[in-house]
Amino acid sequence: SQQGEEDPQALSIQEGENATMNCSYKTSINNLQWYRQNSGRGLVHLILIRSNEREKHSGRLRVTLDTSKKSSSLLITASRAADTASYFCATDHTGGFKTIFGAGTRLFVKA
Amino acid sequence: GAGVSQSPSNKVTEKGKDVELRCDPISGHTALYWYRQSLGQGLEFLIYFQGNSAPDKSGLPSDRFSAERTGGSVSTLTIQRTQQEDSAVYLCASSLSSVQETQYFGPGTRLLVL
Repeated sequence: SQQGEEDPQALSIQEGENATMNCSYKTSINNLQWYRQNSGRGLVHLILIRSNEREKHSGRLRVTLDTSKKSSSLLITASRAADTASYFCATDHTGGFKTIFGAGTRLFVKA
Repeated sequence: GAGVSQSPSNKVTEKGKDVELRCDPISGHTALYWYRQSLGQGLEFLIYFQGNSAPDKSGLPSDRFSAERTGGSVSTLTIQRTQQEDSAVYLCASSLSSVQETQYFGPGTRLLVL
């Protein structure tokens, strides 16, 4: 099964609202990354948080990591219609050789 | 500089035919990954190349799937005797050195097996 699992599976909000997506994983990790995908094509890297970090910011994005709960959250503040996309978390686990992606959260921001 | 490129963008084939998908990673990136994504689903890891090390093939779904990376650069994913369930978007990514680095994705190849 997938190492990373996002919830909710889908999220619909109004422009200007904040969007929060969560990711849970199963084994110890080196880092956790969030990616965005538009229209089922290539993914774009958003942010990487290392296992010894608890919070990271990038523009309107805020990512938290709780290694004790094996979970992470992605917060998008003041959402825009252009934020409509699928968001994936990806983890590479300690001793592993590959990155595992969750099934993603589909975010729809209504203008 | 140029990003990861993949070809073809779209491929329609008949069941039973072989297909080859190509990935050109970012120059200087030693790690290369192949993923498969079915409609509305997450990414399924297929194979990982790192430098001259033996590739991690643990994600290949069957022996009909194979991949090679020549000269540490371009990679080809081959699917033999395609089946309808092989229909998906095949995504390639590269990173500077290892899985702990940011992966840069290509636009993908959309494969449809009729």
